Amino acid sequence: DAGVIQSPRHEVTEMGQEVTLRCKPISGHDYLFWYRQTMMRGLELLIYFNNNVPIDDSGMPEDRFSAKMPNASFSTLKIQPSEPRDSAVYFCASSLMSYEQFFGPGTRLTVL
Amino acid sequence: AQTVTQSQPEMSVQEAETVTLSCTYDTSESDYYLFWYKQPPSRQMILVIRQEAYKQQNATENRFSVNFQKAAKSFSLKISDSQLGDAAMYFCAYRGGMGGADGLTFGKGTHLIIQP
Repeated sequence: DAGVIQSPRHEVTEMGQEVTLRCKPISGHDYLFWYRQTMMRGLELLIYFNNNVPIDDSGMPEDRFSAKMPNASFSTLKIQPSEPRDSAVYFCASSLMSYEQFFGPGTRLTVL
Repeated sequence: AQTVTQSQPEMSVQEAETVTLSCTYDTSESDYYLFWYKQPPSRQMILVIRQEAYKQQNATENRFSVNFQKAAKSFSLKISDSQLGDAAMYFCAYRGGMGGADGLTFGKGTHLIIQP
């Protein structure tokens, strides 16, 4: 199995630009999670989906953030407009029911 | 809301020795799961060990074992025969909700240094 796939691995953009992060979960997994990791706040849950339906988006910091899961094999996290404080590593993870979550390699986002 | 606390920002141990990383959590749920994840400099999150709250027996995975004290809400990780490859950040994580299906709540992490 290829594991959770994220793209891009690194993204550098300028403040005000739109950023789209992509994730392909492990085939057959029914849960998908987006996390953000920063030095100040650590690892925090942004949003998660069950069977492509958003279940809890209470961790999404602002309306500038949005996430979609149009099908079982693809999800996006979009930031529009981006700000320097959005600089972080963004992880996607997937799981089958309540079993352990498998993480992707993460996307390191830098907003200048 | 659930919280996870790791009180040791950094720990150091000699190679081949044993080290214990501490974790406490706060929850009002009775059914949940606890995890330890390892994050090496590559930043990949790697599952080390998992514990179901309904199980009284402590989980073990080769050199890794936990001491799960449900009443005390404590979940420590013991690494035996430490190896250089164990050097990493270690995160304690909680997963609750209906059927344990919520997202993970993480502690701040413990940086483990292995002295050769």
